[in-house]
Amino acid sequence: RKEVEQDPGPFNVPEGATVAFNCTYSNSASQSFFWYRQDCRKEPKLLMSVYSSGNEDGRFTAQLNRASQYISLLIRDSKLSDSATYLCVVEAGGGNKLTFGTGTQLKVEL
Amino acid sequence: NAGVTQTPKFRVLKTGQSMTLLCAQDMNHEYMYWYRQDPGMGLRLIHYSVGEGTTAKGEVPDGYNVSRLKKQNFLLGLESAAPSQTSVYFCASSYNQGGRNTIYFGEGSWLTVV
Repeated sequence: RKEVEQDPGPFNVPEGATVAFNCTYSNSASQSFFWYRQDCRKEPKLLMSVYSSGNEDGRFTAQLNRASQYISLLIRDSKLSDSATYLCVVEAGGGNKLTFGTGTQLKVEL
Repeated sequence: NAGVTQTPKFRVLKTGQSMTLLCAQDMNHEYMYWYRQDPGMGLRLIHYSVGEGTTAKGEVPDGYNVSRLKKQNFLLGLESAAPSQTSVYFCASSYNQGGRNTIYFGEGSWLTVV
């Protein structure tokens, strides 16, 4: 089983739609959780951290369920510019090492 | 405002050749990393460093060596390049604040081994 698993997609949604991505992780000792965004042929960039209580940043909402070991990202009112690959990232085991999921591709269409 | 800089950005190597990728960060970060990214595999950690003079193996270290002689630089070496090392390589650095590790990536180095 992979340490971090994501549905690869692609998710094709119309502009204005709400879309949700899920991610599961296998290490119950995982400490920190993040969503990164990666555009084609670019480096990953931090989208948001994920906190136990859930957190929101504009149109983006992240949730963490430690009991079920999954993380979610909700994007409301999708924009064309949201088209990218979204990477689920988990930190565990010390040494500040991050484990990346393979990413979920989102395509927002007119 | 350079952040994390990788050189070179593109390189074509012949099988058996050696090369070094250079990563430099100007944010005074303690931690530095080298990842490779392949289609369908996601980012995989090759080696990392928790401070000047230290290095450690990641998930896929075979065929690579690293050095961190200066805090701001993290070098990735390929001793004898193989076609399986064709990939995109990302360097990153991070700091830990309040128990959270925030990581910043370089723009990537595209390496082709023929």
